[in-house]
Amino acid sequence: LAKTTQPISMDSYEGQEVNITCSHNNIATNDYITWYQQFPSQGPRFIIQGYKTKVTNEVASLFIPADRKSSTLSLPRVSLSDTAVYYCLVGENSGNTPLVFGKGTRLSVIA
Amino acid sequence: DVKVTQSSRYLVKRTGEKVFLECVQDMDHENMFWYRQDPGLGLRLIYFSYDVKMKEKGDIPEGYSVSREKKERFSLILESASTNQTSMYLCASSFVLWTYEQYFGPGTRLTVT
Repeated sequence: LAKTTQPISMDSYEGQEVNITCSHNNIATNDYITWYQQFPSQGPRFIIQGYKTKVTNEVASLFIPADRKSSTLSLPRVSLSDTAVYYCLVGENSGNTPLVFGKGTRLSVIA
Repeated sequence: DVKVTQSSRYLVKRTGEKVFLECVQDMDHENMFWYRQDPGLGLRLIYFSYDVKMKEKGDIPEGYSVSREKKERFSLILESASTNQTSMYLCASSFVLWTYEQYFGPGTRLTVT
């Protein structure tokens, strides 16, 4: 299971773009990169998943360089409601191991 | 819209009580999971089920049991609640077993006194 490293915390002002980087140096060929968001006292919410290059949805973009040893979650124009913990997970999308959530990145958005 | 619901958001029980936590999903998913989340320990898998009446132990099954009589419903049972089972309990479901795209419920914060 690929180990991930992400910053413990980040601060941002409202309206700014926020980029959270996750390092996963030993990512395997079949591994996908998945990001979850968790608000206090709520369950994690699936945000986005990708394998390579760039993936975009209505919530975020995920940038994955060619070597796939890192990835960046990009949140455009954050608001106070984006204050949450963001988790980066790396693993096979249909493998035989359960999800492993690390400590995540605590994003605080300031007015 | 995908939806996983849990029977209670907050629950307070006494040591030794039998506790039932219920989870319902409306996505027709085959797979359902129970996790607990504790500060500094992340999410830990308690039990999972890949079909009706089927169940498998996760990483920390001791002190827990589960029941899946219907596809949409997965129950977690604490046979005799103890204070070290005070935690946030999260239910999730997925279309594919072990996919990284799981859908979580809002969680139940259980306090055992």
